[in-house]
Amino acid sequence: AAGVIQSPRHLIKEKRETATLKCYPIPRHDTVYWYQQGPGQDPQFLISFYEKMQSDKGSIPDRFSAQQFSDYHSELNMSSLELGDSALYFCASSLFTGEGSNSPLHFGNGTRLTVT
Amino acid sequence: GENVEQHPSTLSVQEGDSAVIKCTYSDSASNYFPWYKQELGKRPQLIIDIRSNVGEKKDQRIAVTLNKTAKHFSLHITETQPEDSAVYFCAASIPNTGFQKLVFGTGTRLLVSP
Repeated sequence: AAGVIQSPRHLIKEKRETATLKCYPIPRHDTVYWYQQGPGQDPQFLISFYEKMQSDKGSIPDRFSAQQFSDYHSELNMSSLELGDSALYFCASSLFTGEGSNSPLHFGNGTRLTVT
Repeated sequence: GENVEQHPSTLSVQEGDSAVIKCTYSDSASNYFPWYKQELGKRPQLIIDIRSNVGEKKDQRIAVTLNKTAKHFSLHITETQPEDSAVYFCAASIPNTGFQKLVFGTGTRLLVSP
């Protein structure tokens, strides 16, 4: 079965540079979530989108922005990168099933961002 | 907001033993509780989940129990195998107009020794 596709798998940037991470959800999934996971940490929710609109916001820095496009893929844009932004960035997707519920979240393989 | 606590942080068992990981949550409105297994450097993989209208769910060697009154849920793995070694995360989801914002526990590193 098709899974969540993230690109790139690895990314190395210098401080103050920008980075763009891409996420392609499972086909027919309409909701996309972004999580940040530091070394030895649990995943922290950043932001989510449903039908191209932001549905929820977590601990996403103002330097970061994201959007969901008409084909449901999403991009996380990160500017003025800092050393502390080095982490694994996971995208997850689900299908909104109405009545206050979603299908389970399935995660992509992540993008490992290293800021030097 | 929701807070999820997970214990223990590390768990070592012998192959064939059972392993139990426990989580508590703070928001009584939470209604969905998934468990994820994560191997080093890989993505979290959903292994089992439970909704608040169910008290127990089982899938082969894995089971999850939920006590809504006490606001805690547990993962039970029986007949553990070395390939069960990984970090396990519990999570709780607060309904927010139907979208899931998962709040994760801090993880349990399970080591199964042959």
